[in-house]
Parts: sequence; structure tokens; C-alpha cells
Amino acid sequence: EDQVTQSPEALRLQEGESSSLNCSYTVSGLRGLFWYRQDPGKGPEFLFTLYSAGEEKEKERLKATLTKKESFLHITAPKPEDSATYLCAVQAFSGGYNKLIFGAGTRLAVHP
Amino acid sequence: EAGVTQFPSHSVIEKGQTVTLRCDPISGHDNLYWYRRVMGKEIKFLLHFVKESKQDESGMPNNRFLAERTGGTYSTLKVQPAELEDSGVYFCASSQVGRGTDTQYFGPGTRLTVL
Repeated sequence: EDQVTQSPEALRLQEGESSSLNCSYTVSGLRGLFWYRQDPGKGPEFLFTLYSAGEEKEKERLKATLTKKESFLHITAPKPEDSATYLCAVQAFSGGYNKLIFGAGTRLAVHP
Repeated sequence: EAGVTQFPSHSVIEKGQTVTLRCDPISGHDNLYWYRRVMGKEIKFLLHFVKESKQDESGMPNNRFLAERTGGTYSTLKVQPAELEDSGVYFCASSQVGRGTDTQYFGPGTRLTVL
């Protein structure tokens, strides 16, 4: 069964303290891995798509990487406005079409 | 360009009543998805439309849920009759039809509370 596990569940950082979020996945065939950011009361906001092991994508203070078993979202020198829940999701070749399989998310709090 | 919109933002109903949620996708997006997050759980897929056709209904929990997409534009998700366990946040997402993996853009969600 296709599965996505994110860790840690919650992370508290001081402003400027870099860290990484983990997304481990088990799928029969990976079509793509997605990172989203979700603020309270809002829908998931797209950040990155990664397709193959070794791929990296960057956006401002965020950098996403992908291996055959997991993805990391690295946050460099975070600011309070980076506080949000970060969601990882995968699309698999099996199980039908384009549905996303989500992890439970990591709640990030960045304090000044 | 307008994003995915959903209506209402919040609905409170009693057990046994009917509720209809609406989703307007990004203009030009033929793929439309419904997802749901119940309390304490991850977001889970419900179904997928390509234009007006249901492509994948594998996530629909039971026959109390009916989704439609008339004319391949907006979509509705009706819950009839609603049960307590239907409470949660219902998200709609849309994407363009294309080759390879698509990027799904989400709406703000409808928070459904069944009392």
C-alpha cells in the first residue's frame, strides 16, 4: 500500500535556526513528490514538485531534495512568516490516475 | 488569474440533513479533485473528474456522497443524509490536463460540522 510518513510532527525553531523536515514514502512507482505549505484556515499552497532521485528545487529559504525513499525540505535561516504546516504528497503510477497521497504534515513554528 | 474557489467556507448542519458543497476550478483546468481532512487525520482523496467524467471515485466513503460536474466547469459534492463522521474540511483542487505529473492547486476548503 502506498504510504507517506512525515517527521517530526511539530518543530519549533528560533528565527535564523536552520533545520530539515523529512518525508518518507513507500509507493510502487513514483510519478512525483509534492511539497505544499498550509496556513491555518487555508488550503494547501503548492511549493515544489520533484520527479526523480537526485533532483533538487529551491525557493527563497526553502530547498527540497529527493532520494529513492525520502524527501527533505531544508529551511535555511527561517523567519516567523515561515511558520505553517508543511505537507508532503506523492503521486504513484499504481492506484489510479493522479490522486495525491498525503502525509500528516509537519507543524513548523518559528519564533523571533 | 483567480484561484480555486469553494462555497460555503463553513457549514453547520444537523445529522440527517443534506449539504451541498461547491467548487469552481481555475479557468481552463479540466482536472478537478475533491479531498477531505477529518479531525486529526491526513488529507485523503475522494474523487477525480476529467471535464465532466468521473475518472476515479475510489476514495468516496459511501453512497451518501454524490459528486457532479455539469458541463465540465464547476463541481458540487452533496452529502445526503449527513452523519457525524462526515465532519471535516473538504478541499477542492484543479489542474491542467497534460503529459506527466500535474500540479494540483487547492481551494481554501469548506469546513463541515455535523451536529
